[in-house]
Amino acid sequence: GAGVSQSPSNKVTEKGKDVELRCDPISGHTALYWYRQSLGQGLEFLIYFQGNSAPDKSGLPSDRFSAERTGGSVSTLTIQRTQQEDSAVYLCASSRGLAGNTGELFFGEGSRLTVL
Amino acid sequence: KQEVTQIPAALSVPEGENLVLNCSFTDSAIYNLQWFRQDPGKGLTSLLLIQSSQREQTSGRLNASLDKSSGRSTLYIAASQPGDSATYLCAVSHFDHTGTASKLTFGTGTRLQVTL
Repeated sequence: GAGVSQSPSNKVTEKGKDVELRCDPISGHTALYWYRQSLGQGLEFLIYFQGNSAPDKSGLPSDRFSAERTGGSVSTLTIQRTQQEDSAVYLCASSRGLAGNTGELFFGEGSRLTVL
Repeated sequence: KQEVTQIPAALSVPEGENLVLNCSFTDSAIYNLQWFRQDPGKGLTSLLLIQSSQREQTSGRLNASLDKSSGRSTLYIAASQPGDSATYLCAVSHFDHTGTASKLTFGTGTRLQVTL
C-alpha cells in the first residue's frame, strides 16, 4: 500500500480480555517496528522484525505481549489478559531495511487501546 | 544504553519567528538521526533524516544539523507559521547485525505552539 496501515484505529476492551492489533507495512519494506506511546510519555520500543532474522523482542514489557509477522509482511501484536496500564497508542512503522539504505522509518496512524 | 534528550520540552512563539529545537544523544555511534512531527491524535510524520556521515539536511523552511562527535542535533524552523504547531521528536538508530538501521531511540519531544 501507499503507507503503513494499522487496524483497528480505536479499541476499547475490558480488563482481562485479549486484543490483537494489526499492521500492514509499506510494500517491499523488510523492516517492521512496534512502539507504544502512553499518555504524555515518549515512544517506547516494543519489537523489531528485520527480514528473516529473529526479531528483537527486547522491548516487550511482559510475557503477555507477543507479536508475529507472517510472510514477511503483515504483523499482529497480541496482548493477553489486558491490564489498565496497557492503555496507550500502539504505533507501527516500516522501513526498507536493506544494508546501506537510509533507514528512514514511516509510521502508521496508530491503534488507540483503552482498557477499562 | 542510548539516551535522547530534547530541550525545551515546550515552546510558544509568535508567527514569523525563527526557532531552534535541540536534541542530544549519549552514544555517538549512530546510523542515522531522524526528526519527526506528531500532531495530536496522529502518527509520526518524517521531516528530515540525516545519515551519520552527513552534517545537515534541508527541506523547505526546515534545516536539521548533526554534530555526531558532540552528540547534538538541531532543527531550525524559519518563519514559523501556526500550522507548524505540533510536537517535534528526534530519534537515533544504530547499526544492527544485518548492517542496516536498528530500532530508533526517541526523545520525549518538544511541543511547539506558534501563535497568531
